[in-house]
Amino acid sequence: EPEVTQTPSHQVTQMGQEVILRCVPISNHLYFYWYRQILGQKVEFLVSFYNNEISEKSEIFDDQFSVERPDGSNFTLKIRSTKLEDSAMYFCASSDAGGGRSLAFFGQGTRLTVV
Amino acid sequence: SQQGEEDPQALSIQEGENATMNCSYKTSINNLQWYRQNSGRGLVHLILIRSNEREKHSGRLRVTLDTSKKSSSLLITASRAADTASYFCAWGPSGSARQLTFGSGTQLTVLP
Repeated sequence: EPEVTQTPSHQVTQMGQEVILRCVPISNHLYFYWYRQILGQKVEFLVSFYNNEISEKSEIFDDQFSVERPDGSNFTLKIRSTKLEDSAMYFCASSDAGGGRSLAFFGQGTRLTVV
Repeated sequence: SQQGEEDPQALSIQEGENATMNCSYKTSINNLQWYRQNSGRGLVHLILIRSNEREKHSGRLRVTLDTSKKSSSLLITASRAADTASYFCAWGPSGSARQLTFGSGTQLTVLP
């Protein structure tokens, strides 16, 4: 079965540093997403991306966050100046249709720890 | 808020028993999906049920959807220790082509 891959699996960074989380979505998918899950809490939507632009974002996705699809295969999430509260699992997902009309495939996640 | 609730928050059963988890949501939806998450791992999709469907089966999984009550249930029959995980429902709100909203999840423990 095709899969979404995320790198790195773990990232430790100092507060105030920039981090880039990388994702390779499934190749024929058109919709891409980032979610995060703080330890022990629910999965929270961050941003969705379609047709090379952000289609929707949550209140969590403030000016410190940005996404990019630099080369037609990778999909990245950048956090410009990390804060302690950014520590979480970050999941990338992709689907071939939006709005839950098809299954979203999730990567294994990147565990970000900000110290 | 578009966030829904799942109940129970935690469920512990013996191997071989059936496990039922419920999900409620607050908006109109296109579809509802169930996902599984092993501790500290990624989300694995289990099943999608469309808003015009009432019941769907996949192996030992049975999902129901009641759009009038804005609720769904996931039944796992003949549970196994390997079914131990967190189970989340997620839905795509009508009128939004973009995102999934997740419920709060049920932690299922199946005791051997």
